[in-house]
Amino acid sequence: QLVLTQSPSASASLGASVKLTCTLISGHSSNVIMWHQQQPEKGPRFLLRLNSDGSHTKGDGIPDRFSGSTSGAEHYLTISSLQSEDEADYYCQTWGTGTLIFGGGTKLTVL
Amino acid sequence: QVQLVESGGGLVKAGGSLRLSCAASGFTFRDYYVTWIRQAPGKGLEWISYISSSGGVIYYADSVKGRFTISRDNAKKSVYLQITSLRGDDTGVYYCARQIMVGGIYPDHWGRGTLVTVST
Repeated sequence: QLVLTQSPSASASLGASVKLTCTLISGHSSNVIMWHQQQPEKGPRFLLRLNSDGSHTKGDGIPDRFSGSTSGAEHYLTISSLQSEDEADYYCQTWGTGTLIFGGGTKLTVL
Repeated sequence: QVQLVESGGGLVKAGGSLRLSCAASGFTFRDYYVTWIRQAPGKGLEWISYISSSGGVIYYADSVKGRFTISRDNAKKSVYLQITSLRGDDTGVYYCARQIMVGGIYPDHWGRGTLVTVST
């Protein structure tokens, strides 16, 4: 059973950088991980896909401030030059046979 | 641009039924899978079902199997979610999304959601 774990909360200052972590448990190390953002009172938005070669592919209109990386079972979303609109919930996601799996989400507070 | 718009949510009594709709535009609808994901109040995202481009492949989460039915009408560029035997834990916002099946399986464009409230 694939499981993704995320810290429930994170915080960072305006203009700083933050690195959010998603850990893949009981899955295949080759699983590709996606990140989605959900701003308050809005529907989610696809941010990026972490490719197996270490690169990432972004969704439409996603700023360069968002990037992703992987180290073993740990998958990261880095947001640089934090802005107030980055305050949101961030979900990592992968898939199995006939299913999609989401992490529990990290609530990011921009101080 | 790619758009998905959900409708059909509302307040319903436990045991009742609803039919949610997802209307798509801005892309070649018949070429894409579509997925439904829900979010209980104050909780995270829970995938519930997806349907292939032709409608021939369908999957459900165990939590909704036997109660929810997904379907699509490519001529109308719409996907539907028939929900029956509603329970209190079905309360939440229901999102439809276009699903990518290459290089991974994931939603790449989401709708704004429709709220389903089940009174117990």
